[in-house]
Amino acid sequence: EVQLVESGGGLVQPGRSLKLSCLASGFTFSNYGMNWIRQAPGKGLEWVASISSSSSYIYYADTVKGRFTISRDNAKNTLYLQMTSLRSEDTALYYCATPTGDYWGQGVMVTVSS
Amino acid sequence: DIVMTQGALPNPVPSGESASITCQSSKSLLHSNGKTYLNWYLQRPGQSPQLLIYWMSTRASGVSDRFSGSGSGTDFTLKISSVEAEDVGVYYCQQFLEYPRTFGGGTKLELK
Repeated sequence: EVQLVESGGGLVQPGRSLKLSCLASGFTFSNYGMNWIRQAPGKGLEWVASISSSSSYIYYADTVKGRFTISRDNAKNTLYLQMTSLRSEDTALYYCATPTGDYWGQGVMVTVSS
Repeated sequence: DIVMTQGALPNPVPSGESASITCQSSKSLLHSNGKTYLNWYLQRPGQSPQLLIYWMSTRASGVSDRFSGSGSGTDFTLKISSVEAEDVGVYYCQQFLEYPRTFGGGTKLELK
């Protein structure tokens, strides 16, 4: 069974940093690109970043470019999202998902507030 | 960026009736390989999104045949035949032709 389990969320002050993790199981993680997608409270879905299977190709939404870094450790079956210079508008539920969209984690909440 | 625009439903939808959700893209999602790079998702209340349709018209594994996708390069429709209680939620279309990946704003389905 495919599982994606996010962790690392929480309450953080504006300007601070946070690192999210997504532990994958049930499939050959190293063969697949991965995505981070977020959803602000009561709002729609927003794609955040994508990374290819070998980390050769990385893409970011303009809203996070220069502040967020997506990475992965294929030996640990784990996807990461390093978030810096956090803003209140980054408050959202963050999902990791396969690029085909057929598997999503349960999401991890990030709240940016003083 | 490709802008995805979704239409609204005349909620609430009577149980057993059909419902059609529209989605329009600002650029054709039809690739030269003949595939149309459009997904449909359902997000039930309190849950993660679930993939319903990919390549515009292919049902994802385990998805009821009451769901069908159709369209052209820029205009798309998700049809739900005989709406049931489990269909309640917000539906999203998403293009995966280009980066940034973009979603429609969502269409809420409520049951009568």
